[in-house]
Amino acid sequence: EAGVAQSPRYKIIEKRQSVAFWCNPISGHATLYWYQQILGQGPKLLIQFQNNGVVDDSQLPKDRFSAERLKGVDSTLKIQPAKLEDSAVYLCASSSPGAVAYEQYFGPGTRLTVT
Amino acid sequence: EDQVTQSPEALRLQEGESSSLNCSYTVSGLRGLFWYRQDPGKGPEFLFTLYSAGEEKEKERLKATLTKKESFLHITAPKPEDSATYLCAVQVSSNTGKLIFGQGTTLQVKP
Repeated sequence: EAGVAQSPRYKIIEKRQSVAFWCNPISGHATLYWYQQILGQGPKLLIQFQNNGVVDDSQLPKDRFSAERLKGVDSTLKIQPAKLEDSAVYLCASSSPGAVAYEQYFGPGTRLTVT
Repeated sequence: EDQVTQSPEALRLQEGESSSLNCSYTVSGLRGLFWYRQDPGKGPEFLFTLYSAGEEKEKERLKATLTKKESFLHITAPKPEDSATYLCAVQVSSNTGKLIFGQGTTLQVKP
């Protein structure tokens, strides 16, 4: 079974530029998550989709971050304009509702460096 | 506020030297506690889910246990390939399924 795919793997941009990340979840997984992981910290949820709809975006900086999930499969996360503090690894995860808890499977991440 | 704290932040072991990693949590209602392994430059890799106090799960040299306030990841006779960052996360009953992570414990096993 193919895992979660993300691209690009690395991106370097200057502050105030824009950038976009792409994620393809595990086939059949209805729920998709974007997490931000700053060096030395655990991942923090930015946004969660259930099929096409947004379930939780309470920690998404909406003045600069946006995300969409077209047709309930692939998703893109965009930052515009980027700030230095956006330097982090952006992880995409997907899950399928289980009996009790939703086990999430992560992609390799995109490492963003803002200079 | 739901919170997860892991200790120690870093752990250095000799090959074969068993030890435990701690994950303490304060949540409004626990749906599940998750352990992940993360290698440098990679995404977290799922290890275990624990659902209720008293539950234990094992995988090779790893054993995870859960109480009402904390979880332990016991590593028995570790090998250098067990070197990684181990992340603990909780899923709260009242929320939509998002994971709340601790900051991780970085384990280094020397041969």
